[in-house]
Amino acid sequence: QKEVEQNSGPLSVPEGAIASLNCTYSDRVSQSFFWYRQYSGKSPELIMSIYSNGDKEDGRFTAQLNKASQYVSLLIRDSQPSDSATYLCAVIDGYSGGGADGLTFGKGTHLIIQP
Amino acid sequence: DVKVTQSSRYLVKRTGEKVFLECVQDMDHENMFWYRQDPGLGLRLIYFSYDVKMKEKGDIPEGYSVSREKKERFSLILESASTNQTSMYLCASKGSNQPQHFGDGTRLSIL
Repeated sequence: QKEVEQNSGPLSVPEGAIASLNCTYSDRVSQSFFWYRQYSGKSPELIMSIYSNGDKEDGRFTAQLNKASQYVSLLIRDSQPSDSATYLCAVIDGYSGGGADGLTFGKGTHLIIQP
Repeated sequence: DVKVTQSSRYLVKRTGEKVFLECVQDMDHENMFWYRQDPGLGLRLIYFSYDVKMKEKGDIPEGYSVSREKKERFSLILESASTNQTSMYLCASKGSNQPQHFGDGTRLSIL
């Protein structure tokens, strides 16, 4: 059973600080990694994808991947109250060719940015 | 941009009714999914489909069925609705080796 683990939170961060969200996964063959943001009552929205070790930056967001340690993280710089949401980590394994049954979601981390 | 459209944002039905939830995507994706999401339980996969007329059970298929007669449309059917099926239902689609894109969700209440 493939697993994707996240701390459920809530994670409380003051406005303007860096929010750090972490995710670990059990399947060493995992290939592709995604972060989704979900506001209360809304559907998940894709915000970042990362496929190789290292950092990937997009605006205030940075995704970090370490395949040897089997973790992926999301950093949000200059946190804003509008960043308050649940963040879901998702992983595609290396078995199914990225097909229909290869994507596993974590349960999400609830992030609160305090003004 | 990928567009995944779910037919209803809110739906109220009665116990024992047969309920249809419809989902349409406009990106010619092979793969489509139905999830339900409940507080503290995360996203749980009900069914998915990797091609027209093809379907596979997910983690919690009991009480549900699906239909995929056309590539762009994936329907979720509650054969005889029960109160424990009150939930947020999310449809998603994806291409090969691509992330999923979600519809806006249907909040279904069974009375």
